Amino acid sequence: TQLLEQSPQFLSIQEGENLTVYCNSSSVFSSLQWYRQEPGEGPVLLVTVVTGGEVKKLKRLTFQFGDARKDSSLHITAAQTGDTGLYLCAGTTGGGADGLTFGKGTHLIIQP
Amino acid sequence: NAGVTQTPKFQVLKTGQSMTLQCAQDMNHEYMSWYRQDPGMGLRLIHYSVGAGITDQGEVPNGYNVSRSTTEDFPLRLLSAAPSQTSVYFCASSYDRMAGRGAIYFGEGSWLTVV
Repeated sequence: TQLLEQSPQFLSIQEGENLTVYCNSSSVFSSLQWYRQEPGEGPVLLVTVVTGGEVKKLKRLTFQFGDARKDSSLHITAAQTGDTGLYLCAGTTGGGADGLTFGKGTHLIIQP
Repeated sequence: NAGVTQTPKFQVLKTGQSMTLQCAQDMNHEYMSWYRQDPGMGLRLIHYSVGAGITDQGEVPNGYNVSRSTTEDFPLRLLSAAPSQTSVYFCASSYDRMAGRGAIYFGEGSWLTVV
């Protein structure tokens, strides 16, 4: 089983601050996805990255896939209270429909 | 827009009882899967299906059965419920058979408590 380690586990910051959360593994992934999950709901896909070194931007969110495809980061600029949630990274080694390997998530709280 | 629909939303079972969690999607997706989410453990794959008539085991399949008689439906059966199966269960589907390549849609979850 390929492990995805997310850090930090918990993060509480003030509105307007910047933050970065990380997703690391010793395994190489053919693709990696980031999800956000709000209480009482299922995860919602934010982005998929497939190329080493790839950077994708989604408004104030910037996602990066490491050159070696073993790690990824999510950077939020000028955090807003609406960014509060559980952020999950999930990867696949590819080649088969064996589902996603999920990290344990980062619980993010943005305080007003 | 129904998307992925799970029922029931909440269920309490006694140890040893059996039940079925229903999952239906209206997006004509081939790939469907079931995950459980536990505190501190993240989401773990139980079973998945790449199309009608085809199912396979994921990371934690023991105590669960699945079948895929139609493209739309992918029910998860608990054969003899145990307290260790207390969890939140999520059904997911995607158009792309290769997990992680395309958009994956999750249901809203089913909260199961086994007493």
